[in-house]
Amino acid sequence: GNSVTQMEGPVTLSEEAFLTINCTYTATGYPSLFWYVQYPGEGLQLLLKATKADDKGSNKGFEATYRKETTSFHLEKGSVQVSDSAVYFCALTERSSASKIIFGSGTRLSIRP
Amino acid sequence: SQTIHQWPATLVQPVGSPLSLECTVEGTSNPNLYWYRQAAGRGLQLLFYSVGIGQISSEVPQNLSASRPQDRQFILSSKKLLLSDSGFYLCAWSPGTGSLDTFGSGTRLTVV
Repeated sequence: GNSVTQMEGPVTLSEEAFLTINCTYTATGYPSLFWYVQYPGEGLQLLLKATKADDKGSNKGFEATYRKETTSFHLEKGSVQVSDSAVYFCALTERSSASKIIFGSGTRLSIRP
Repeated sequence: SQTIHQWPATLVQPVGSPLSLECTVEGTSNPNLYWYRQAAGRGLQLLFYSVGIGQISSEVPQNLSASRPQDRQFILSSKKLLLSDSGFYLCAWSPGTGSLDTFGSGTRLTVV
């Protein structure tokens, strides 16, 4: 079945450091890929998405590129801020059945001032 | 704009008691609706999803069930709770485009 694997956290970085959170997937067909973020005390919200191979999703300085050859969708940011501290979830949905949305286990990110 | 209501926010229930969590969506019609459980350190687990009234897809065999009696209402139930049912339950909706637009504020269930 379809699945999403994320790097385990917690990830702790200093402010202005470069961030990468790895995400790989297993899916039949051609899934759409997403990153969601959950800030402390808040609900989940969509951060960015990509719907086909080589697409790059971006938002709030974060980027992720849909790599079909490596079945990956790694989240990156060039210079993190304390306000980026949150839990990040990678997710996918099958294009053929946009109903079923599968999440990874989440990666907790903490940024030190 | 669309909003999603989920209640109660917290719940403490004894083992073997029944459960009913309700989720309603406003501002949209014919949404896809979802129930997820977020257990500590285990991420989001898809429990049920529904693409229409009376249509329920179950992802994880367990003692939970879901129902969709109305277009914008999604209910998570159990006849007898287990300790392992403790967790944070989230309702969400999607317009059917593949991404989840809005999540409910969640219900923290503790089974004692």
